[in-house]
Amino acid sequence: AQKITQTQPGMFVQEKEAVTLDCTYDTSDQSYGLFWYKQPSSGEMIFLIYQGSYDEQNATEGRYSLNFQKARKSANLVISASQLGDSAMYFCAMREGPGGYQKVTFGTGTKLQVIP
Amino acid sequence: DTGVSQNPRHKITKRGQNVTFRCDPISEHNRLYWYRQTLGQGPEFLTYFQNEAQLEKSRLLSDRFSAERPKGSFSTLEIQRTEQGDSAMYLCASSPSTGGGLPVNIQYFGAGTRLSVL
Repeated sequence: AQKITQTQPGMFVQEKEAVTLDCTYDTSDQSYGLFWYKQPSSGEMIFLIYQGSYDEQNATEGRYSLNFQKARKSANLVISASQLGDSAMYFCAMREGPGGYQKVTFGTGTKLQVIP
Repeated sequence: DTGVSQNPRHKITKRGQNVTFRCDPISEHNRLYWYRQTLGQGPEFLTYFQNEAQLEKSRLLSDRFSAERPKGSFSTLEIQRTEQGDSAMYLCASSPSTGGGLPVNIQYFGAGTRLSVL
C-alpha cells in the first residue's frame, strides 16, 4: 500500500481564490509527522508546513494551513488567496516513528496552476 | 542566507563513467539526507547521516552508489559505472537534531543535481 497518496495530479485555481490539495497517509505508528513541500520549476523543495501526530491544533503558516483529520488519515493543504507564484508542484510527505528515525516518504505530488 | 548547497547543478555523462556530487548542508545541521527524484515522482530516500555516521541506507542504494560525510560537514554521493536508469535529480537535505523552537525533523533541501546519462 502507498504510504502517501495524492490523488490530484493537477489542479487549477483562480488567482485570489482558495484551493485544497488532498493527501491521505497510511501508517500504524502512533508517532509520526506530516509535511508539505513546494517544488517550483527551479527544482528546490521548499518546506511549507508541518503537523505532528500529537498536535491537537491544525498547523498554520501564513496563507498555508493543514487540515489534519487523524481518524481519516488525511492531511490536506489549504492555500488561501492564491497568487501566481504559487504555481508549482506540491508534495505531501510523512515521517514515521519517533524523532530519531528520520526517513521521510513523499507522495507523487500535485501540480498546481494559478490562473490570472 | 546559507541554505543547503549542491554542486554541480547539472551533470551530463556517458554510460559507464563515474560521477560525484557534493552537498554542503546548513552549517549548524548535523543530519544530512540524500534523495533521488525521477520525472513525475516524489523524492525517494537514499541515505541518511548523523554527523559522519551513515545510519540508514535504502535498498535503492545499489553497490554502485556510495555516500560519505567524512568530517560530519559536507557530503559526497558517488555513482560508479553509471547507467541510463541513473538519470534523475539528486536532492540533498539537512536538518538539526535539536528543535531551536522548530520541530526537529524538518528537512531543508538544496536545489539538486540533475544527472543525465547518455
